Amino acid sequence: AQSVTQLGSHVSVSEGALVLLRCNYSSSVPPYLFWYVQYPNQGLQLLLKYTSAATLVKGINGFEAEFKKSETSFHLTKPSAHMSDAAEYFCAVSDREGTYKYIFGTGTRLKVLA
Amino acid sequence: DADVTQTPRNRITKTGKRIMLECSQTKGHDRMYWYRQDPGLGLRLIYYSFDVKDINKGEISDGYSVSRQAQAKFSLSLESAIPNQTALYFCATSPRGSVTGASYNEQFFGPGTRLTVL
Repeated sequence: AQSVTQLGSHVSVSEGALVLLRCNYSSSVPPYLFWYVQYPNQGLQLLLKYTSAATLVKGINGFEAEFKKSETSFHLTKPSAHMSDAAEYFCAVSDREGTYKYIFGTGTRLKVLA
Repeated sequence: DADVTQTPRNRITKTGKRIMLECSQTKGHDRMYWYRQDPGLGLRLIYYSFDVKDINKGEISDGYSVSRQAQAKFSLSLESAIPNQTALYFCATSPRGSVTGASYNEQFFGPGTRLTVL
């Protein structure tokens, strides 16, 4: 069965510092992987997704993530944090065929300090 | 803009009451989903539907039922609400195949309904 683990339910960074949010997955075959962001009182918005092809995926708002099969990881990074990045971030995994149902991680709340 | 809307946005109800949460979409997507979000637990799938006649239970369907009235509408019902159903509920959609700007493995979320059961 697939699963997703997000290490760190809360992460704080200073404005301008590197953002690193961790996601590890468990799957018998390489799955599809996603990062979503949730701003306060809003729904989820897709940041980026890995479906095949390039292992380094660039998303919106300067975020990127690298798929590492050997480490079963899909960590999200941004070189320089901005105050507007404060939000909750969710990693999700789905099958490559069949139902394409998502399994979400428990989320990481990012706080950006001035 | 094509969108996913949810009504109501907020609802407070009492234990034992029947509640319906509604989701409508103008994206033309075939697939629709209901999730609940609880602090520290992420989002968990309640029900999903791949078309009007295809409805499936997710990982936490007990205490819930759904109705797919049309391609664009997917409702979630709590027949007899209980306090541990207090949560944020999200509807999501995805296309059956690849379409311009989206692919079958991408889900689009509504703004959520905050439900409180007293």
